[in-house]
Amino acid sequence: KAGVTQTPRYLIKTRGQQVTLSCSPISGHRSVSWYQQTPGQGLQFLFEYFSETQRNKGNFPGRFSGRQFSNSRSEMNVSTLELGDSALYLCASSLAPSGNYEQYFGPGTRLTVT
Amino acid sequence: GDSVTQMEGPVTLSEEAFLTINCTYTATGYPSLFWYVQYPGEGLQLLLKATKADDKGSNKGFEATYRKETTSFHLEKGSVQVSDSAVYFCALSYSGYSTLTFGKGTMLLVSP
Repeated sequence: KAGVTQTPRYLIKTRGQQVTLSCSPISGHRSVSWYQQTPGQGLQFLFEYFSETQRNKGNFPGRFSGRQFSNSRSEMNVSTLELGDSALYLCASSLAPSGNYEQYFGPGTRLTVT
Repeated sequence: GDSVTQMEGPVTLSEEAFLTINCTYTATGYPSLFWYVQYPGEGLQLLLKATKADDKGSNKGFEATYRKETTSFHLEKGSVQVSDSAVYFCALSYSGYSTLTFGKGTMLLVSP
């Protein structure tokens, strides 16, 4: 079956702009999590969604927001982009929110802010 | 808060050498522990996991044992291959949540 899909794969934006990233989970998966990966900070947790509800949120400013739709697809939005937001944004899906269920990661969206 | 510490890389080995990547954690509860692998240009893949103390996770020749007394989850492989070259991440999560807390990652480079 198809894996986790993230669109777009690459994105270049200018400081001050906003951006929306999309994640389509594996069919049947209802839990979606987002992570930011940078060389300096490594992998940092952004959000976790299950059944359209945000269950957990990482330590990021309010410029970072997300949502999940009834078909489990998820979007994250970053407003007023800063140079430091340049990163690989990874989405992961699983059947349900539990360490007992394997999380499957997408290939990521590479965001470059200039 | 919770945290995961991994040995810094890169770890450079010759093919068929023994591999150990150290991972220790600080946790407020009783987490599950994971090793993920990231190949160049790809997302993360689950390599193995252990959900309680003394459990041993294993996959593709890799092993790690959940040691509560030393708060460690070291990754080992008896004979590495060039195809094992990747970045390895140790992580933890709690029951009821998908949220993963990752270590910084350790790059492994295996030469023929």
